[in-house]
Formats: sequence, C-alpha cells, structure tokens
Amino acid sequence: DIQMTQSPSSLSASVGDRVTLTCRASQSITRHLNWYQQKAGKAPKLLMSVTSNLHSGVPSRFTGSRSGTDFTLTISSLQPEDSATYYCQQSQSLPLTFGGGTKVDIK
Amino acid sequence: QVQLQESGPGLVKPSQTLSLTCSVSAGSISSGSYYWNWIRQPAGKALEWIGRISAIGSTDYNPSLKSRVTMSVDASKNQFSLELSSVTAADTAIYYCARYYYDSSAFYLDYWGQGTLVTVSS
Repeated sequence: DIQMTQSPSSLSASVGDRVTLTCRASQSITRHLNWYQQKAGKAPKLLMSVTSNLHSGVPSRFTGSRSGTDFTLTISSLQPEDSATYYCQQSQSLPLTFGGGTKVDIK
Repeated sequence: QVQLQESGPGLVKPSQTLSLTCSVSAGSISSGSYYWNWIRQPAGKALEWIGRISAIGSTDYNPSLKSRVTMSVDASKNQFSLELSSVTAADTAIYYCARYYYDSSAFYLDYWGQGTLVTVSS
C-alpha cells in the first residue's frame, strides 16, 4: 500500500496568514493526489484533484503543488471558514489511501 | 447535483454482520464514469477506504478488510450496499458512501454522503 504522511498534524494561524500543509507519498504517485476538507461533524468535501485542480466552488486562495513525492496545499490568506481538517488522498493505485490529516485552527 | 444517503442499523453486536445501504439521487448509478465507494472514519481518526463497486457489480476491496467485506449494487433502486462480517469494537466508526469519478487523467471522490455512525457493542 502507498503510505501518505501529512505534516504538521495541527496548526493554529491568524486570519490573513499564509498557511502551507504538506503531504508526502511513500512512492511515486505522479500527480494523482487529491485534497479534501472536513469540517467538524461533517463529511469530507473535495477541495482539489490531480495535485492542483480546484473543485467547483472552491475559492482561489487554495492552491496545490508537487515536488516529486511531496505535495503542498497552500491557503494564501486564511479565512475563518477555513477552520477544518484537511486530508490528502492518493489515486495512483489501490487501495486508495489517505493521510492522517492536518487540523487547521484559527487563532 | 447528485446526493448520497447512507442508511442502516446504528448498533451491531460483536461477531455479527454490519449492513449498510447508500441511496443515490439526482443521478443514475449506471451513467457516467463512476465507481461507488465505502469509506469509514473511527472517532477522531483518519479516513480508511473500504472498497468500491461499479454499476455492473465489479468490486475492489481494501486487502486489510477483504476477507470480511461484500459489496453489491442494485441499479434498479439506484442503491449500493456494504456488508462487513464478524465485526468487533474496532469496526465502530462513521461510515461514508462516496462517488469516485474517473477519466483518462483524473480520479477522485467528488460526492459524499453525510455519514452514518455504526457502533459495535453488545
């Protein structure tokens, strides 16, 4: 199985801050990396697919990038509604696997 | 837009079989390039993929659960189902159904149900 490791496990930042979340794959997954946002008590929602393609309705302050097996999700200007846990997920091979999540809190 | 809704017992006894159904609305389970998935999440923990089924019944399961998982699809009812046998307390989790879109270059879970909590306890 491909292991997905997210860091940090949690962070706290202020409104307007630039925030970067990292996800590392245990082997090459090319660009097949998706990001999901899960707010407390809710189902996950697709944020971004294939490394950097924003899903419909997702604000442009969210961007994604890749360097080898390292992927980043950047929030350019953190907003109160961005408080959530973010999960990465690889679609390169089965079984689909998720990272452990990064919880983002607003100071 | 498509909606998914899980249903089934919220409490299952140890060693018994967990059975859930996902009803799909505002879209046919048989149309388009999709797989229909089950994912679970123990309280405070990360997401775990259980498996997927196509509209014609082709399945893929997580090897960690494969010996206990059965998925089925009923296209006439626009539903798909999960059975997990020989459950223990470790199977207590929120269970989500989700649609998996695929094409030549992209594969992702684009729509999710709200989730249903299943507790394994005597």
